[in-house]
Amino acid sequence: SQQGEEDPQALSIQEGENATMNCSYKTSINNLQWYRQNSGRGLVHLILIRSNEREKHSGRLRVTLDTSKKSSSLLITASRAADTASYFCATDLLEGNTGFQKLVFGTGTRLLVSP
Amino acid sequence: ETGVTQSPTHLIKTRGQQVTLRCSSQSGHNTVSWYQQALGQGPQFIFQYYREEENGRGNFPPRFSGLQFPNYSSELNVNALELDDSALYLCASSPGAAGSSYNSPLHFGNGTRLTVT
Repeated sequence: SQQGEEDPQALSIQEGENATMNCSYKTSINNLQWYRQNSGRGLVHLILIRSNEREKHSGRLRVTLDTSKKSSSLLITASRAADTASYFCATDLLEGNTGFQKLVFGTGTRLLVSP
Repeated sequence: ETGVTQSPTHLIKTRGQQVTLRCSSQSGHNTVSWYQQALGQGPQFIFQYYREEENGRGNFPPRFSGLQFPNYSSELNVNALELDDSALYLCASSPGAAGSSYNSPLHFGNGTRLTVT
């Protein structure tokens, strides 16, 4: 099951520009996380935002969360070629039968930053 | 602090065979999760282990099974391999307690690329 969907699927920008990626999800959440993945590698955690938070910053990253719209955005300011990667949002999804919460990833946005 | 390591990095198997993938979690992390990532897709949750017991499972058939050991290592076993099992298999550990909300990030290994021919 796909809880999160990122938009756009692919994004191509020049170095120095800002990159904005969006994530929409379907059910209520406790928190939302953003991860980055370089080609063929593991995922690296970027930032976690809790459901009672609206905005969070980490270096050049800014994440917003709108629980009423069930959406989040990741903004990377002053992009660099090294930011080229896929970016995924992930939310906790409650399994109704067992009460188990699993982390479910979206489909990802592939960002290409050209020098 | 050591990270999460997975072995092997690449593997080629034939349809119908069995495979075992290995993961060494970050020290002190009691929870390990396994994900399957097909090309161009997001990771799909297979199952999670906490203190050597499976405590959550995604939509994967029983031929996907796992083990977790006291020394923070774990295994993913897949029997009767099918062509669609070709994917990147990711192991992720976290210090969080099992079944709770994910208030701590997952630490991923670099995965094992499995090709089934």
